[in-house]
Amino acid sequence: AQSVSQHNHHVILSEAASLELGCNYSYGGTVNLFWYVQYPGQHLQLLLKYFSGDPLVKGIKGFEAEFIKSKFSFNLRKPSVQWSDTAEYFCAVMKYSGGGADGLTFGKGTHLIIQP
Amino acid sequence: NAGVTQTPKFRILKIGQSMTLQCTQDMNHNYMYWYRQDPGMGLKLIYYSVGAGITDKGEVPNGYNVSRSTTEDFPLRLELAAPSQTSVYFCASRAGVGRGEETQYFGPGTRLLVL
Repeated sequence: AQSVSQHNHHVILSEAASLELGCNYSYGGTVNLFWYVQYPGQHLQLLLKYFSGDPLVKGIKGFEAEFIKSKFSFNLRKPSVQWSDTAEYFCAVMKYSGGGADGLTFGKGTHLIIQP
Repeated sequence: NAGVTQTPKFRILKIGQSMTLQCTQDMNHNYMYWYRQDPGMGLKLIYYSVGAGITDKGEVPNGYNVSRSTTEDFPLRLELAAPSQTSVYFCASRAGVGRGEETQYFGPGTRLLVL
């Protein structure tokens, strides 16, 4: 079974600091990769996704992620965080089976706190 | 579009009671999913459906049942509630299987407490 590992469960940064959240997955086949964000009291929202093509993908709110196939990684980055980025961040992977209805496999999440 | 909606937002159940968590989407998506989120854990797939009349088990289906009589609705049924089912439940939907249609859209969640 595939698994998703997020390296940091809790991260505390000051405003304007740079952010990198690690994500590794175990599945060796073709995958679709996602980062979702959950702001306090809200539901999951899609930050960005990778299906194919350019391994550097840009999402909403200045976030980007890089897919490195050889490392089975999909790390999330932001050059300068804001207080409003305080949230829970989830990496998720879906096997691409060309017709399957596979659900997402999620990492355990990273709780990000931005201090003003 | 309202997207994916879930009711209720919060519910307290006694052990052994039953209830149905409702999920509706207005995007005409074929695929629908139920996940549960436990504290400090990622979401785990309970059941999914590829269209009306077709459902299948996910990673953690025990203690739950689903049905899909229409494209829009995908209710999740708990027959005999247990404390282990205390969790936040998320419903999600997705358009199809073509490349670029794999994005899942989530509802606001139902917080369930079983005492």
